Order: sequence, then C-alpha cells, then structure tokens
Amino acid sequence: QSVLTQPPSVSAAPGQMVTISCSGRSSNIENNYVSWYQQFPGTAPKLLIYENNMRPSGIPDRFSGSKSGTSATLTVTGLQTVDEADYYCGTWDSRLSAGVFGGGTRLTVL
Amino acid sequence: EVQLMESGGGLVQPGGSLRLSCAASGIIVSDSYMNWVRQAPGKGLEWVSSMYTGGTTYYADSVKGRFSFSRDNSKNTVYLQMDNLRAEDTAVYYCARNRLYYMDSSGYLDWGQGTLVTVSS
Repeated sequence: QSVLTQPPSVSAAPGQMVTISCSGRSSNIENNYVSWYQQFPGTAPKLLIYENNMRPSGIPDRFSGSKSGTSATLTVTGLQTVDEADYYCGTWDSRLSAGVFGGGTRLTVL
Repeated sequence: EVQLMESGGGLVQPGGSLRLSCAASGIIVSDSYMNWVRQAPGKGLEWVSSMYTGGTTYYADSVKGRFSFSRDNSKNTVYLQMDNLRAEDTAVYYCARNRLYYMDSSGYLDWGQGTLVTVSS
C-alpha cells in the first residue's frame, strides 16, 4: 500500500480536462514539495511537475500542478491521445526520512 | 546532456546477491543527490534508497539491512549492493538524480533506462 493515495484510473475525451488527486499527510505533502511523473509502458518515468506547480523545460503548459494542505492535484487540459500514460505523484516524507510515491493513476483518453 | 546508465541486473536465486551500477555522464555524482527507485512488474514506483552529496544514505524499510548504496567518485558511478534477495525484490531498478542536490523533495529530474532484477529459483 502506497504512502500517497491516488485514484487507480481516470478518463476523459480528447480536448477535455482531467484532474488526478494525490493525498498524503503533514509529514510528506503538507511540508514538502510535490512532484508529478509521467510514464509510458516500458519506459522510464519523466518529471512533469516539480515544486508543486513548476514545469521543467519542454513540458507543455497543458500540464499544471497545485497543492493545498495534505493534498496535491495534477490537471491536464486540452487532452490528447498522446497523454495516455501512468501518472505518479511523489515527495519526501520527513518523518520516515524516505521518498514516497502514490500508487499511480492510469489516464485513458477516450 | 545528463545520462545515467544502469547495469548489473539479471536472474538471481533467493538469498543471493547482486550489485547494480549506475554510470553517469554530464554530471558529477559526488555533487549530486542520487537515488534508486524500483518498479515491480505491473506495479507502481517504489523509492528504494537515496545518497546525499556528503555520503549520507537513507533506505526504505523493505530493504534496510540488505541493500547498500555506495559511490565511486573516480568512476563517476553509484552502486546498489543487494544481498539476501527475496522474490519481492523482483523489479526494474532505476537510478535517478534529484533536480537539486540540497533538497529532498526537489523531484527526480534525470532517470536511467532501468535494469531488470529477477529473483527466482
């Protein structure tokens, strides 16, 4: 069981918006930065969002992140079929002195 | 351009040992916050271990006492020594670098391609 909680799957039609939630506690999400990763089958994860809402160079602005208290959210607008992938949230847990991830969310673009 | 190249994976019997390597280019590992993350077949990401620039290491409870993170500055390579392996250690192991060397939660910016470890008799 993952320390951070994500929905197993979300889906939406092309062009629509989808949100993926990530729930934790004060020792992880509330007091540390949250990152989001995108992973296609058979490939390494890719950093999508860092420091809650910042995008690395090359990441489209269709992807955005936010955080409030012990929860974080990844929002994808203008969905495209190429966005079909697994998405993971991650952060550091100060109480555990350990990295933590959510269980992952499979995004399906209908 | 940063490149991380893992090697050393393979098939090992339960109770056996394996040493994974992660050779880096484009960065200096001793100036970087390095990590190992694994992914069991069909499962999600699991953090395994981290090493700070100063050499301090942290381990997941599931591997504590069995895995050891080390670094060879002359080879610009980090290692994960895995002893007393169990079936549940079967996974693709990724080497990853933090975006900032001084911040635990700065995000894993650079990833290797992964190396598969299979623990089975």
